[in-house]
Amino acid sequence: GAGVSQSPSNKVTEKGKDVELRCDPISGHTALYWYRQSLGQGLEFLIYFQGNSAPDKSGLPSDRFSAERTGGSVSTLTIQRTQQEDSAVYLCASSPGTLANEQYFGPGTRLTVT
Amino acid sequence: AQSVTQLDSHVSVSEGTPVLLRCNYSSSYSPSLFWYVQHPNKGLQLLLKYTSAATLVKGINGFEAEFKKSETSFHLTKPSAHMSDAAEYFCVVSTMDTGRRALTFGSGTRLQVQP
Repeated sequence: GAGVSQSPSNKVTEKGKDVELRCDPISGHTALYWYRQSLGQGLEFLIYFQGNSAPDKSGLPSDRFSAERTGGSVSTLTIQRTQQEDSAVYLCASSPGTLANEQYFGPGTRLTVT
Repeated sequence: AQSVTQLDSHVSVSEGTPVLLRCNYSSSYSPSLFWYVQHPNKGLQLLLKYTSAATLVKGINGFEAEFKKSETSFHLTKPSAHMSDAAEYFCVVSTMDTGRRALTFGSGTRLQVQP
């Protein structure tokens, strides 16, 4: 079946511009996560959605970052006034539910801020 | 709080020899533990997971890991390395003490397989 998809696969933007990254989770998965992976680094948690509950935003690095999940399915991560340090691969994952369930990752969006 | 330490940033083995990737964790509660693999320019793929059932967990591609509570370890092993095993491997921990918090990833171990 279809896995997690993300778009665009690559995004180059100028410093100061806003960007939107999209994630389509696996159908029926109630949990959705966003991570950031900088060059040579592990994954940094950004935000977590679980069903209709308020999202866990504790990993967002600044107020320039925000995310929403519409209708419990598709999610958009928005970065306003991008900075060069925002350059990274942004990964989305979905899961059937609890933290004990494995997460299924999308291919990521590689963001380059020039 | 929880944390994960992958003890080696790089591991190099010869094809056909055993693989050992080391992972130690800390957690206030009984954890769920995972190993993920990331091939170059590919997404993360689950290798195996431990969720308080059998302590020896078998995963895909011949990998397995053993949960040792006394040592707070979850090392990943494979009896015989294959060239296609060359990738980045991440040890991951999840515990309920973080509430709805997502998983905590280790910093990764890059496995090189020499012919």
